[in-house]
Amino acid sequence: KAGVTQTPRYLIKTRGQQVTLSCSPISGHRSVSWYQQTPGQGLQFLFEYFSETQRNKGNFPGRFSGRQFSNSRSEMNVSTLELGDSALYLCASSRAGTGGSTGELFFGEGSRLTVL
Amino acid sequence: GDSVTQMEGPVTLSEEAFLTINCTYTATGYPSLFWYVQYPGEGLQLLLKATKADDKGSNKGFEATYRKETTSFHLEKGSVQVSDSAVYFCALTPSGGSYIPTFGRGTSLIVHP
Repeated sequence: KAGVTQTPRYLIKTRGQQVTLSCSPISGHRSVSWYQQTPGQGLQFLFEYFSETQRNKGNFPGRFSGRQFSNSRSEMNVSTLELGDSALYLCASSRAGTGGSTGELFFGEGSRLTVL
Repeated sequence: GDSVTQMEGPVTLSEEAFLTINCTYTATGYPSLFWYVQYPGEGLQLLLKATKADDKGSNKGFEATYRKETTSFHLEKGSVQVSDSAVYFCALTPSGGSYIPTFGRGTSLIVHP
């Protein structure tokens, strides 16, 4: 069965621009979560969506936003890009139910964003 | 809040050596504990998990035991291979309420032939 697919894999933007990243979860998975991975801060939770609703949010500024569509695909958007937004952005899906998740996450390969 | 502390790397070993990567956590209640592995250029993959105290997770020769009394979940393997070279992340998800997972900083493992 197909894994988690993230697009694009690599992208380069300049400061002040915005970017949209896409994530297609494993079929049947209704929870999608996003993470920022940098050498300095490690892996940080951005937000989680379940059934088109943002269920949890990490400690990131409002420039970071996301959404989930009825087919569970998700997008995240970063507006007014800053140099510090350069990172690997990982998406993960899980079988989480309405009560939350204690199960494993299935990660995509990530979208590597470079901000110049 | 919740936190996960891993030993800093890189850990450098020769093939067939014994591996231990330490992981301790701070959380209320009984979180679920995980080890993920990230190979170069890839996303994270679940390696093993344990959901309650004294559970032992195992996969591909790796093992970790959920120790509530020491709040630890150390990763071990008896004989590492060059193909085990990767970054290993310890993680937890809370036992109730917020879903938000917490990851350790990751430990890089380098195995030489």
